[in-house]
Formats: sequence, structure tokens, C-alpha cells
Amino acid sequence: EAGVAQSPRYKIIEKRQSVAFWCNPISGHATLYWYQQILGQGPKLLIQFQNNGVVDDSQLPKDRFSAERLKGVDSTLKIQPAKLEDSAVYLCASSLTSGINEQFFGPGTRLTVL
Amino acid sequence: AQTVTQSQPEMSVQEAETVTLSCTYDTSESDYYLFWYKQPPSRQMILVIRQEAYKQQNATENRFSVNFQKAAKSFSLKISDSQLGDAAMYFCAYRSKLTGANSKLTFGKGITLSVRP
Repeated sequence: EAGVAQSPRYKIIEKRQSVAFWCNPISGHATLYWYQQILGQGPKLLIQFQNNGVVDDSQLPKDRFSAERLKGVDSTLKIQPAKLEDSAVYLCASSLTSGINEQFFGPGTRLTVL
Repeated sequence: AQTVTQSQPEMSVQEAETVTLSCTYDTSESDYYLFWYKQPPSRQMILVIRQEAYKQQNATENRFSVNFQKAAKSFSLKISDSQLGDAAMYFCAYRSKLTGANSKLTFGKGITLSVRP
């Protein structure tokens, strides 16, 4: 069974530029999560999707971050414009449903904002 | 809001020895899940072990076991017979069990475990 796929693995941009990350969850997983992991900290949830609907985006800085999961499968997270403090690893995870099903994590995208 | 605290930033253990990683949490809920995740340098987060709060028996997975003290809100991970492949960052995490609550994980800051050959 293929795991959660993310791309790119690394991205370096200048502040005020835009960037997008892509995530393809495990086949059949209805719930998709985006976490932000700043160096030295644990991951923090940015947004949770159930199929193509948003369950929780309370921690998403909506003035610059956006995310979509149009067909209820893969998802894109965008930052526009980026700030220095957005430098982090962005982790995507998926689970069968939003119940106790295990969350499976992708390898992450390491973003550096200069 | 729930919080998870891992106060030890780093620990080291000799290969084949036993090490215990500490975690405390704060919540007003009576039923919830607690997890330990492992994140090797490649960054893929892997579930190590899970504990349901209403279960008094401590969870065990091969060389990994937990000491769950609900009243003290403590959830430590014991790794027995440590192996070089255990070297990684370990995160303690909490998940609410309330109906209608989202299933997000609340993580601690993590602890870096090194294993000496």
C-alpha cells in the first residue's frame, strides 16, 4: 500500500513570494490533515478536511494561507505572500475517517523563506 | 485547551539498555487518546504506541511500553533493549475523544533520543 505522498520535498523562496505544496493521501482515506512543524517544536494542525469539506481551520493564518481538496482526494496548501516565520516543515497526514483511525504521515516539505 | 509537555529536550542511551521518555499533559476531559510518535531524521512520522485513557492497563508493543498515570496526567514511554534504529525524535501527542471534536493531534515539543553503540 502506497503511503502519503508529498511534493516538493524541499523549497527555498524569498519572503513575499508564493509557494504551493501538494499532498496525495493514502487511497480511500477520507480525512486529510496539514500540520506545520517549526524547528524545535511539535507539529501544529493547520487544517483538517473530511472528504472535500473543511472540519477545522482555526489555526490557519487565512490572510496568507489557503488550502483546498476539491475532489476529496489530493490537496494543495498555498502560502501567499510568505514570511520569514513560515519557514518550517509542512506535514500532510491522512486517516480512513476522523475517528480513532491511525493518522499516517507523509515525508513533509521543508520550506525555507529567506 | 489541551496541552502536552515534554520537558527533556534530549536523552541518550547505551545500546541494549532501557530508557524512559517523559510526557505530561493537561486536559479537563475524562476520556481521550495518548500517543507516542517516532520521527527519524528522514522526517516520516511513525506511530509507536497508543493508549486509551479509560483503559487502566498500560499499552505494550514489543520493546515499547508506556506508564500511564491518569491522575498525575503522566504518560511515559519505556524503550527496552535499545537499538541503533531507535535514534530519532519522539513526540507525545493527545487526541480528544469527545463526540463532534475534530481528530487533530496535539503534540509536545519532542525529545531527541540518541543511542550509543
